[in-house]
Amino acid sequence: AQKVTQAQTEISVVEKEDVTLDCVYETRDTTYYLFWYKQPPSGELVFLIRRNSFDEQNEISGRYSWNFQKSTSSFNFTITASQVVDSAVYFCALSEGGTYKYIFGTGTRLKVLA
Amino acid sequence: ETGVTQTPRHLVMGMTNKKSLKCEQHLGHNAMYWYKQSAKKPLELMFVYSLEERVENNSVPSRFSPECPNSSHLFLHLHTLQPEDSALYLCASSQEGGTYEQYFGPGTRLTVT
Repeated sequence: AQKVTQAQTEISVVEKEDVTLDCVYETRDTTYYLFWYKQPPSGELVFLIRRNSFDEQNEISGRYSWNFQKSTSSFNFTITASQVVDSAVYFCALSEGGTYKYIFGTGTRLKVLA
Repeated sequence: ETGVTQTPRHLVMGMTNKKSLKCEQHLGHNAMYWYKQSAKKPLELMFVYSLEERVENNSVPSRFSPECPNSSHLFLHLHTLQPEDSALYLCASSQEGGTYEQYFGPGTRLTVT
């Protein structure tokens, strides 16, 4: 069965600190896709990144970076030099190719304090 | 223009009312989704439409009735709801099921009194 676990319910950091949000997934498929979304207080989930199961390269986009490791079934997200605007709930999600089911984790609430 | 819009943004309804939520996507996607987001629960997938055909229906009570008249519009018709149905209802669209990222609307905050 598919499952996404975000064990960190809430994290608080002080501005400019680095923070890593953990995501562990379970799937029996060899072809699958992983996603991260940000949900600010306004409510709308904003897409951040998509990764397929055949591409284990880490990715960096500005202050954001993602570490995908199939050996540990993890897809962790790091924010470098966090800012107050990064405060939001972050969701990790999994889908299997050819289906319409996206499985979301329960989210990690990040609070960045000034 | 915002990719996915939802109306209304807030809705308060009594248990005997009938109302509808509307979603519109301007991204040329062919799949649309309804999710329910309750406090401290994972997002719950309710319905999926691909090219106006329903492809997923996750054991949702019949008091929720979806409608997809074309690939750009999605409705969720509500009737005789219960207080536990109070939640944020999110609409999303994607290019294809499972392979591509979803784009979400701002949601409708529903309160059932």
